[in-house]
Amino acid sequence: DTGVSQNPRHKITKRGQNVTFRCDPISEHNRLYWYRQTLGQGPEFLTYFQNEAQLEKSRLLSDRFSAERPKGSFSTLEIQRTEQGDSAMYLCASTPGQWGNEKLFFGSGTQLSVL
Amino acid sequence: RKEVEQDPGPFNVPEGATVAFNCTYSNSASQSFFWYRQDCRKEPKLLMSVYSSGNEDGRFTAQLNRASQYISLLIRDSKLSDSATYLCVVNRISSGNTPLVFGKGTRLSVIA
Repeated sequence: DTGVSQNPRHKITKRGQNVTFRCDPISEHNRLYWYRQTLGQGPEFLTYFQNEAQLEKSRLLSDRFSAERPKGSFSTLEIQRTEQGDSAMYLCASTPGQWGNEKLFFGSGTQLSVL
Repeated sequence: RKEVEQDPGPFNVPEGATVAFNCTYSNSASQSFFWYRQDCRKEPKLLMSVYSSGNEDGRFTAQLNRASQYISLLIRDSKLSDSATYLCVVNRISSGNTPLVFGKGTRLSVIA
């Protein structure tokens, strides 16, 4: 399967714990996005990368969230000191281009539940 | 004003009906527009891009009105399989960056 891969599919954690998610984009896709989605809402933009450079981080994202994309390949999203409000589906998407006008290819997401 | 706004619905329509969704965006510099479809508990998938001249793909027609900053999606002859959430996507232009931003989505239920 050469699509976008996300791991784990599900994560249950206790409040205050740290969690890390991984996204493997389609090979050679330059852009990689992270979104968060809660029930009944559209995907909310968190951050995105052009190759290894993090170009923008949403103002809604607290300092507890950090993302990396070393070497411009896979990406990780870490949430420190999780809160119940962090419970959501975390979606990763990649695109081949550089101009924000290309089709997004999504992974299946990581469902986070914070107890 | 939110970056991308959509009527959340739900729109409940009978099979065969024509239904239209609108989406407004706040950034007049935006240049790329899309409609995505999301089925329940699935990831979003591209339905169609939206071009300035308007475009059609089978039963689906998308239009862009730059002056009023809105995008529309028209579905003709609705099928049961069209039931899904339809997401409006716009690229936000800010400081040279162009992230793709989603609306909250409009839910459509086509009823037999």
